[in-house]
Amino acid sequence: QQQVKQSPQSLIVQKGGISIINCAYENTAFDYFPWYQQFPGKGPALLIAIRPDVSEKKEGRFTISFNKSAKQFSLHIMDSQPGDSATYFCAATVTAYNAGNMLTFGGGTRLMVKP
Amino acid sequence: EPEVTQTPSHQVTQMGQEVILRCVPISNHLYFYWYRQILGQKVEFLVSFYNNEISEKSEIFDDQFSVERPDGSNFTLKIRSTKLEDSAMYFCASSPGPSNQPQHFGDGTRLSIL
Repeated sequence: QQQVKQSPQSLIVQKGGISIINCAYENTAFDYFPWYQQFPGKGPALLIAIRPDVSEKKEGRFTISFNKSAKQFSLHIMDSQPGDSATYFCAATVTAYNAGNMLTFGGGTRLMVKP
Repeated sequence: EPEVTQTPSHQVTQMGQEVILRCVPISNHLYFYWYRQILGQKVEFLVSFYNNEISEKSEIFDDQFSVERPDGSNFTLKIRSTKLEDSAMYFCASSPGPSNQPQHFGDGTRLSIL
């Protein structure tokens, strides 16, 4: 029930195209959903995050769409660029007040944007 | 921009030995975490630490593991009696507060058990 399932495992997109990565979860207590970007040899870096009280959040070329009833959320990268080539992880957590928040990660999507 | 710093970047150890992985969290952060990533697999939570004590730990974090904040800047993960399956990338993270404040990750320590 703690799992977050992510798809696809890998994705190839042409420069300028839209990259779409999907995640699904079971635990309805999850209330915070961040996306992380990881380049080779680096740690995950927070890209964008959403709470379930909104259906969409946009930051620049990156948009999270959230479907609470379906327990799914997705990352859209508009106008994908070769520099976006990285591994993307969705994650989820239950807000823990006065305690650290355990992130449950999806399996990751390796994105390659072809020039 | 402040960063989480981890040392060493790569640690090679014989099976059965003890290792200590070190992290310097961002200076004004209060919550500290360890995660691991076995090659080709997802990132997995190990432990969170706040106010000088463990606040949450996963099933992976058994008696083989311990964490410590020995001074005002370092946060360490000790693995005793290492096993081959402990080979992984270990990431330290920190956040300024609770309630889903962003977790900032270091670049990890690659632990190789021979």
